[in-house]
Amino acid sequence: AQRVTQPEKLLSVFKGAPVELKCNYSYSGSPELFWYVQYSRQRLQLLLRHISRESIKGFTADLNKGETSFHLKKPFAQEEDSAMYYCALYTGGFKTIFGAGTRLFVKA
Amino acid sequence: SAVISQKPSRDICQRGTSLTIQCQVDSQVTMMFWYRQQPGQSLTLIATANQGSEATYESGFVIDKFPISRPNLTFSTLTVSNMSPEDSSIYLCSGTARLNTEAFFGQGTRLTVV
Repeated sequence: AQRVTQPEKLLSVFKGAPVELKCNYSYSGSPELFWYVQYSRQRLQLLLRHISRESIKGFTADLNKGETSFHLKKPFAQEEDSAMYYCALYTGGFKTIFGAGTRLFVKA
Repeated sequence: SAVISQKPSRDICQRGTSLTIQCQVDSQVTMMFWYRQQPGQSLTLIATANQGSEATYESGFVIDKFPISRPNLTFSTLTVSNMSPEDSSIYLCSGTARLNTEAFFGQGTRLTVV
């Protein structure tokens, strides 16, 4: 079955602390994974994708096929990182399935 | 990036009525989709909107309840029919551009059924 799991609904960290948002997936083929972000009063938008292997706003995510994970990390959280984060899996036919989302709250 | 406009942004409707949500995309978008996001839950794909033909529905969604039209490449509508309070959700229009797997989203329609 195709599935994306984000075990944490809410993650609260202090400014400057490291943050890791967990994502695990289930997919029989070669996965293409994304992180999407929704800031307050803004639309859902792409943050990064694993094939780009890039850092966006200080965030990185590494695909670990052995652990079927795609955790999102940032070494030093900022208040402006507070948002809803969704891990997503492209399943072919231009369809994407999403995890339940993790709300990140960065405290001053 | 692709531009997707959706309206209305929110509505409060009486049970038993229907609401039609409109989505306009720019010419970069080739595929169009409709998602539902129930309170506290993830985005669930309702259907793929096909130009000039019937939409392709995901398991658990039917045309009678969620009729979808896409008369041309850049416009689609989703109707939520015979609404009940359980239909209270955010409905999202989404699109992908040619040869690109990134999904772009409208701002969403927050529907409350009373």
